[in-house]
Amino acid sequence: DGGITQSPKYLFRKEGQNVTLSCEQNLNHDAMYWYRQDPGQGLRLIYYSQIVNDFQKGDIAEGYSVSREKKESFPLTVTSAQKNPTAFYLCASSTSDRVREAFFGQGTRLTVV
Amino acid sequence: KNEVEQSPQNLTAQEGEFITINCSYSVGISALHWLQQHPGGGIVSLFMLSSGKKKHGRLIATINIQEKHSSLHITASHPRDSAVYICAVTYSGTYKYIFGTGTRLKVLA
Repeated sequence: DGGITQSPKYLFRKEGQNVTLSCEQNLNHDAMYWYRQDPGQGLRLIYYSQIVNDFQKGDIAEGYSVSREKKESFPLTVTSAQKNPTAFYLCASSTSDRVREAFFGQGTRLTVV
Repeated sequence: KNEVEQSPQNLTAQEGEFITINCSYSVGISALHWLQQHPGGGIVSLFMLSSGKKKHGRLIATINIQEKHSSLHITASHPRDSAVYICAVTYSGTYKYIFGTGTRLKVLA
């Protein structure tokens, strides 16, 4: 079955440590995205990638980094520079046509203690 | 002000009731998406609309391009419909989705 896989579902880290969230898709989509969700707020875009080896900052990129070395994979690193990293993180991929139907992963809940 | 506004923010209904969730947006779009997020957090795409109306089972989505408004209807609601419903829009020439803050629906048995 085609889809997006995020891992792990829950992640705990100590303050000051970098942590990498995994996102893999087998939908052959060119575009991939990382979103952050906080209580009472809409999803906010962290980074997106339209094609392999290319990515752009979203609205809240500070303290995060990404790579896109393979079409299937778009890992997100939450660095120690991110001031408030505890949140729910969602990865998505989409078609590259005009309407861009998106498919979402199950999310990773990151808690920094 | 969010570019995508949803109402209501919270909704509690009795099983069997007809439910309507509304979404308004501010500028022209290429498509509007209705998404469902269950308590576990994963998001499922329900509908993608650029005009007219779509139906899937007990769910109906409509869009009025002139009024920049969409509605999601649930007929004969059931407790398993309890979730957060999110409206999102996409624009031509950009890869960004703009999301509403969601409507939290609880259907009581």
